[in-house]
Amino acid sequence: KNEVEQSPQNLTAQEGEFITINCSYSVGISALHWLQQHPGGGIVSLFMLSSGKKKHGRLIATINIQEKHSSLHITASHPRDSAVYICAASGGGADGLTFGKGTHLIIQP
Amino acid sequence: NAGVTQTPKFRVLKTGQSMTLLCAQDMNHEYMYWYRQDPGMGLRLIHYSVGEGTTAKGEVPDGYNVSRLKKQNFLLGLESAAPSQTSVYFCASEGIGELFFGEGSRLTVL
Repeated sequence: KNEVEQSPQNLTAQEGEFITINCSYSVGISALHWLQQHPGGGIVSLFMLSSGKKKHGRLIATINIQEKHSSLHITASHPRDSAVYICAASGGGADGLTFGKGTHLIIQP
Repeated sequence: NAGVTQTPKFRVLKTGQSMTLLCAQDMNHEYMYWYRQDPGMGLRLIHYSVGEGTTAKGEVPDGYNVSRLKKQNFLLGLESAAPSQTSVYFCASEGIGELFFGEGSRLTVL
């Protein structure tokens, strides 16, 4: 069973700061997902990665398959980025994802 | 979360009652999942389906049943609800390179 660890668990930063959230997993995967969940809200898929790097607006996700590690970066952070960010590993089968416990991000104005 | 709809969004049950959660997707996805989310434990897979007429157990299937009679719908049933099933339930639908979640269903079992 894949073990997915995220760090930090909680992060508070000032508006405008560069944010990095890390995710490591124990077993080789076919893809890694980064998800966003606002308080009391649903879950939105931000990225699906199998290699390299993806960018969408102020969000950047990278993955190093050899090191079994992925990072999510937020540039020029804004209070609306405050949410829980979850990484999830897919083994390639149809049996769903293994999730990290999430990183609770607060961006203060 | 366009494309995946869960009903109901909130429900309070008494121990022993039964209920069904409905997940509907309009993206023609084959794969659908039911997860539960509990504080400090992250999301855990209950059951999943790889296509119409197929279902399989996930990590925490006990106390739940599912059915996928139509490709667009994935139903999660609780035959005899227990307080341990108090949770937020999320349905997800997966296609090639895309993953969508429903808004969640908050279930409280008293």
